[in-house]
Amino acid sequence: KAGVTQTPRYLIKTRGQQVTLSCSPISGHRSVSWYQQTPGQGLQFLFEYFSETQRNKGNFPGRFSGRQFSNSRSEMNVSTLELGDSALYLCASTQLAGARTDTQYFGPGTRLTVL
Amino acid sequence: QQQVKQSPQSLIVQKGGISIINCAYENTAFDYFPWYQQFPGKGPALLIAIRPDVSEKKEGRFTISFNKSAKQFSLHIMDSQPGDSATYFCAATLKTRFGAGTRLTVK
Repeated sequence: KAGVTQTPRYLIKTRGQQVTLSCSPISGHRSVSWYQQTPGQGLQFLFEYFSETQRNKGNFPGRFSGRQFSNSRSEMNVSTLELGDSALYLCASTQLAGARTDTQYFGPGTRLTVL
Repeated sequence: QQQVKQSPQSLIVQKGGISIINCAYENTAFDYFPWYQQFPGKGPALLIAIRPDVSEKKEGRFTISFNKSAKQFSLHIMDSQPGDSATYFCAATLKTRFGAGTRLTVK
């Protein structure tokens, strides 16, 4: 079974631009969560989608948004990029919603650099 | 925002030694405590997890110790090997909260 895939792997943008990241979960997994990883802050939860609906949301500004398609693929969008948005963005998939005890499988991440 | 505090930030251990990473949480509603291992260029992968109704769980060289009253849990890596060099994250759910990570180097 193919793992979680994320595209692109690397991105360089400038302040004020917007960016869209893509995540394809493991086949059969219906829940996708997004995380921001920065040195010293660890992984910060952004949001979780299940069956095309946002179920949970972390404490990030409205510039961060996402969506999920009927095939469970998910996209994350960041508008009006700021220097502080430079980070590794990870997505994780689980079979069920909520990700409480169900194992999360992470993709390799998209490294976003904002100049 | 950080509801799970992890220490130390980095750790250097001799080959064959014991690596110990500690985490403390605040929310007593958390009911599942996984540890993740992350190698450079890869996403985190589940290593071992524990529920608060047990005080210890062991899988091979990896052991989680859980102290519910103190709201603390720790990862012990016995007989540490160079291949264990990675970043380790503790986590707690609901709405998964991660610690800041510990970079372990085994020499």
